[in-house]
Amino acid sequence: DSGVTQTPKHLITATGQRVTLRCSPRSGDLSVYWYQQSLDQGLQFLIQYYNGEERAKGNILERFSAQQFPDLHSELNLSSLELGDSALYFCASSGQGVLAGVGLGEQFFGPGTRLTVL
Amino acid sequence: AQSVSQHNHHVILSEAASLELGCNYSYGGTVNLFWYVQYPGQHLQLLLKYFSGDPLVKGIKGFEAEFIKSKFSFNLRKPSVQWSDTAEYFCAVNTYSGGYQKVTFGIGTKLQVIP
Repeated sequence: DSGVTQTPKHLITATGQRVTLRCSPRSGDLSVYWYQQSLDQGLQFLIQYYNGEERAKGNILERFSAQQFPDLHSELNLSSLELGDSALYFCASSGQGVLAGVGLGEQFFGPGTRLTVL
Repeated sequence: AQSVSQHNHHVILSEAASLELGCNYSYGGTVNLFWYVQYPGQHLQLLLKYFSGDPLVKGIKGFEAEFIKSKFSFNLRKPSVQWSDTAEYFCAVNTYSGGYQKVTFGIGTKLQVIP
């Protein structure tokens, strides 16, 4: 158990809909990362938050957005869903180094949310 | 822009064979390097990491990796694989520049060990 929790485990929805995925990081971790894993694209980094602020952006579509709340949990919002958005969405958190905002990079992954768009 | 290349996308080995998975990265500055493993149906978990010091790092389950700075490589090795090593392996690079941290994962290598 990594200490990172994600809900829901599975989500089945229709094209055009909007869903919200939730992630709670390990206790004390300030950074949260979101990844999308699909068979054809592999593991894709989407976005990173640190203590409520966006820190890095990867291959995140404009239809997707995320935020990190004061209690450090994060939500990933996926809208106007398409068939191709079906994937496993992972959240990871990491601890911090000596300097604020400096992550040593080791990430702890949650169990993932499997999204199926029909 | 930093990038990570994993050259072998799918590797099939017999039990007791030796394993080496290649990982090369492109970035000119200081890096932290990682190998993660994802067993079937599970989430990614850390196998080993390199931050500084001895470039030969040992991880869990008999895995090791060597950081060769001149070659921008961080290859994963295991002298004798077991059926339970069947999994997908991801190399990752973490950099820190201008107040921002960036993590880049390789595409992954699927390892299948045949009993």
